[in-house]
Amino acid sequence: AQTVTQSQPEMSVQEAETVTLSCTYDTSENNYYLFWYKQPPSRQMILVIRQEAYKQQNATENRFSVNFQKAAKSFSLKISDSQLGDTAMYFCAFMKHLPSGTYKYIFGTGTRLKVLA
Amino acid sequence: GAGVSQTPSNKVTEKGKYVELRCDPISGHTALYWYRQSLGQGPEFLIYFQGTGAADDSGLPNDRFFAVRPEGSVSTLKIQRTERGDSAVYLCASSFRTRGLAPYNEQFFGPGTRLTVL
Repeated sequence: AQTVTQSQPEMSVQEAETVTLSCTYDTSENNYYLFWYKQPPSRQMILVIRQEAYKQQNATENRFSVNFQKAAKSFSLKISDSQLGDTAMYFCAFMKHLPSGTYKYIFGTGTRLKVLA
Repeated sequence: GAGVSQTPSNKVTEKGKYVELRCDPISGHTALYWYRQSLGQGPEFLIYFQGTGAADDSGLPNDRFFAVRPEGSVSTLKIQRTERGDSAVYLCASSFRTRGLAPYNEQFFGPGTRLTVL
């Protein structure tokens, strides 16, 4: 069964500093997608970054980048130049293939990130 | 609409009552998903619709929960005889296409409905 583990329940970082959130997952699939979502107090799940497993190059989106280690099944998120607006829950997610032909997300338990002024 | 919308934003009910939660997906998205997010947890899959039919309901916790999507657009999640353990945020997501890997399967989430059962 696929599982997603986020071992850091809470983290804090000073504004303008860099922070890394960890995520590991378990799957027997070879082709898949991994995601990081941000969930602010408004509850809206916002896609931060996406990584295709068949791509060796790590995905980057402005201040956000990932360190994808396929063999180790690790998918960490690095936030550079942290901003107060980055304060939120961050969820790592694995896109799992369903027998019905579509996909569902398997989410980790989340990491609460607080950016300090 | 511009995004997935869900109503109501918050719902407070008493144990044993019946509730309905509504989801309006992004126009043109054929796939619709319901997730439940309990306090301190990540969202957990409940049910997936392709068009009007429930293609996968393996995540529904018991027969008190069911969902419909009669015209292939708006969906309603229905909970009978609510229990305190049903208290959670119920998230809806939609995606453009159902087959093949992302990005076309990328799911876009609504703001959720917070259900509180007293």
